[in-house]
Amino acid sequence: GAGVSQSPRYKVAKRGQDVALRCDPISGHVSLFWYQQALGQGPEFLTYFQNEAQLDKSGLPSDRFFAERPEGSVSTLKIQRTQQEDSAVYLCASTQSGAGLETQYFGPGTRLLVL
Amino acid sequence: DAKTTQPPSMDCAEGRAANLPCNHSTISGNEYVYWYRQIHSQGPQYIIHGLKNNETNEMASLIITEDRKSSTLILPHATLRDTAVYYCIVTFRGSGYSTLTFGKGTMLLVSP
Repeated sequence: GAGVSQSPRYKVAKRGQDVALRCDPISGHVSLFWYQQALGQGPEFLTYFQNEAQLDKSGLPSDRFFAERPEGSVSTLKIQRTQQEDSAVYLCASTQSGAGLETQYFGPGTRLLVL
Repeated sequence: DAKTTQPPSMDCAEGRAANLPCNHSTISGNEYVYWYRQIHSQGPQYIIHGLKNNETNEMASLIITEDRKSSTLILPHATLRDTAVYYCIVTFRGSGYSTLTFGKGTMLLVSP
């Protein structure tokens, strides 16, 4: 079956540009997570959605980062006025429900390079 | 504030068992041990999890010590495709959602 997909797979932005990263979770999955993975590091949690509600945004590094999931399916992570330190792989994961610790299914990630 | 300690890298010959250790000495009674792996240029993939009993599935076995302060992930017959970074994660399993706190993991290199 179709897994989690993300687009674009690669994005090069000039410092100061805005970018939008898309995540298509597994169909019917209620929960959606965004993670940021710097080079050589493990993924770090950014934000969590249950359906369209953003229940946890404690990991967002600054107010330049904004995420939405308006219809409870596709999610977009937006970074405004990108900085070089935003260069990383952005991973999306989904789970079937929001109850308990379920297996998180990850997409392939979007590799963002800010020049 | 990593809850787990793993060696940065390990080598394994193809066809042999790969035993990946993880220390989690501060684990609490309601925290589970999860293992994920990440193959190059892919997202992390779930492998196995456990609370206190040993667990086995089609991918691997998980051995948790009696005091729960450490565990070992065993890939019984490693293949080249098992080359990846392996993450040991300790996390609370409640009624609500839980996030995953990844460390740096162990880079396992399986060679011919």
